[in-house]
Amino acid sequence: EIVMTQSPVTLSVSPGERATLSCTASQTFRSDLAWYQQKPGQAPRLLIYGASSRATGIPARFSGSGSGTEFTLTISSLQSEDFAVYYCQQHNSRPRTFGQGTKVEIK
Amino acid sequence: EVQLVQSGGGLVQPGGSLRLSCTASGFIFSSHWMTWVRQAPGKGLEWLADISQDGSETAYVDSVQGRFTISRDNAKNSLFLQMNSLRAEDTAVYYCVDSSSGFFNYWGQGALVTVAS
Repeated sequence: EIVMTQSPVTLSVSPGERATLSCTASQTFRSDLAWYQQKPGQAPRLLIYGASSRATGIPARFSGSGSGTEFTLTISSLQSEDFAVYYCQQHNSRPRTFGQGTKVEIK
Repeated sequence: EVQLVQSGGGLVQPGGSLRLSCTASGFIFSSHWMTWVRQAPGKGLEWLADISQDGSETAYVDSVQGRFTISRDNAKNSLFLQMNSLRAEDTAVYYCVDSSSGFFNYWGQGALVTVAS
């Protein structure tokens, strides 16, 4: 099983600032990494797949990068609607596994 | 518009059974792998099981292997999760998800399952 570890657990950011979230895998794989955003009481929403491809309708301020064991989600300029919990997930092998989440909160 | 509409959650006693259903529309259901993901209260996301387009292949996380069964009825655009021998730690919101490439594009609204006496 591939263990996914996210850091930090909580990220305090002011609106308009840049946010950088990290995800580390316990085993190496090329680019089978997705990112999701979840707001309270809602289902998660796919943001990024294949490490760097934006899902349909996702704003350009969201970008993903990385390969191997280190992956990054960058939100270039945080908007009020971006404060949420973010999860990474590897889609390289089964069981599919998620990171524990990073909460992006208003500073 | 893609929709995944779930039903079947509720309160069940430890050791009991429950069946979750998910009806899909807006895409060719029979062409997609499908998955169940759950989220315990205040916790993260956990992949549970998935099923191939024709139902011939399934996979489960160890914690539910032998207790939960994923199935589908392509004629009715429906996905199911039969949950037996339920435990308190199975209490969670259960999501039906489209998963054709291993990641999860479309999500159902979630169904709360509470296992308690």
